[in-house]
Amino acid sequence: DQQVKQNSPSLSVQEGRISILNCDYTNSMFDYFLWYKKYPAEGPTFLISISSIKDKNEDGRFTVFLNKSAKHLSLHIVPSQPGDSAVYFCAADSGTYKYIFGTGTRLKVLA
Amino acid sequence: SQTIHQWPATLVQPVGSPLSLECTVEGTSNPNLYWYRQAAGRGLQLLFYSVGIGQISSEVPQNLSASRPQDRQFILSSKKLLLSDSGFYLCAWSAGFSYEQYFGPGTRLTVT
Repeated sequence: DQQVKQNSPSLSVQEGRISILNCDYTNSMFDYFLWYKKYPAEGPTFLISISSIKDKNEDGRFTVFLNKSAKHLSLHIVPSQPGDSAVYFCAADSGTYKYIFGTGTRLKVLA
Repeated sequence: SQTIHQWPATLVQPVGSPLSLECTVEGTSNPNLYWYRQAAGRGLQLLFYSVGIGQISSEVPQNLSASRPQDRQFILSSKKLLLSDSGFYLCAWSAGFSYEQYFGPGTRLTVT
């Protein structure tokens, strides 16, 4: 049972436009959510996180939105840059320090 | 600053051979340590985690084992590899009471 789902395996966006990556979860006990970015043959790097007590967290070009009632979170990248091309994973935690990762969305930013 | 090392970067092993992947963390004490596997087309699957020396929790029954002989050393092992063990193995650490996990560069394992 996939508790964290990223239903779009890939996304292409024009440089300068907004990229929106989505993530859905099923476990209502999850209280902390993170986004990781991964380049090929490298380990994921932490991007941004959000606690369940918030509905938005912003860091530069990256904003994460959390809709608890819908069990949905999204990552917005504005403006998108070619260097943002990577696989993005969302992850969720229920306070046990054990993350459940989604299957990832491959973002391609076209120059 | 903290750094995490994994080796080797790539490994090709025949079915039935043993495996030992090593992960070390520098610049922090008493980290939580994790082993993940990313199989082709799938997300990151947590295999093992450790909150201290000699303390290992297994998340998925499998052909693999983990050990933590020192505070900042985490080893993933197998006595006999299976074809299904192929994948990208990632080690990660986190501070005891913070949430962000930091990943190593990974090891690409191909079992032939």
